[in-house]
Amino acid sequence: DAMVIQNPRYQVTQFGKPVTLSCSQTLNHNVMYWYQQKSSQAPKLLFHYYDKDFNNEADTPDNFQSRRPNTSFCFLDIRSPGLGDAAMYLCATSRDLGQPQHFGDGTRLSIL
Amino acid sequence: QKEVEQDPGPLSVPEGAIVSLNCTYSNSAFQYFMWYRQYSRKGPELLMYTYSSGNKEDGRFTAQVDKSSKYISLFIRDSQPSDSATYLCAMRDTGTASKLTFGTGTRLQVTL
Repeated sequence: DAMVIQNPRYQVTQFGKPVTLSCSQTLNHNVMYWYQQKSSQAPKLLFHYYDKDFNNEADTPDNFQSRRPNTSFCFLDIRSPGLGDAAMYLCATSRDLGQPQHFGDGTRLSIL
Repeated sequence: QKEVEQDPGPLSVPEGAIVSLNCTYSNSAFQYFMWYRQYSRKGPELLMYTYSSGNKEDGRFTAQVDKSSKYISLFIRDSQPSDSATYLCAMRDTGTASKLTFGTGTRLQVTL
């Protein structure tokens, strides 16, 4: 049973056209994370929500935003995607800060 | 120098072999260590989560931590073709409960 679900699995967008990626969870975890993973690279944390509190990593570009309307859902918005934003975007959850993180299967984003 | 170093492989072993996967790190503040398995086009799956130096065993998997040498290992006994995947080490310190620092992953191929 999938517990962290990401939609869509594959997303193609045009250079500069806003795109939204979705993550939902059935675990009722307090914390939700977004990572960017480029080919053959380590996942890189973009930001996380602890309940409704948003925490941005210092080096996350302003082009990346996030929303968490309720416990179950979290969205990643890329306002003006550039070619360098093509990557796998991974959503993860944890029961609390410091607890093990559980990942979804990711959304692979391509930029035309 | 990267905070976490991991040989990218690929590492090819015959079925039934013992596999040793390793990471070294430079940040002595790292106290929590994880191993994730990532199949192609899938998200990372948590395999092992350890805190203290020493060994932790779970089925065919053993995680080993040597904090004095800043070196962690994952051993897989009786390797199976289904173990073929990329293995990512991850770690965090006690001060930043949200942020995992990942290695780039080692690609493992178990052949028949």
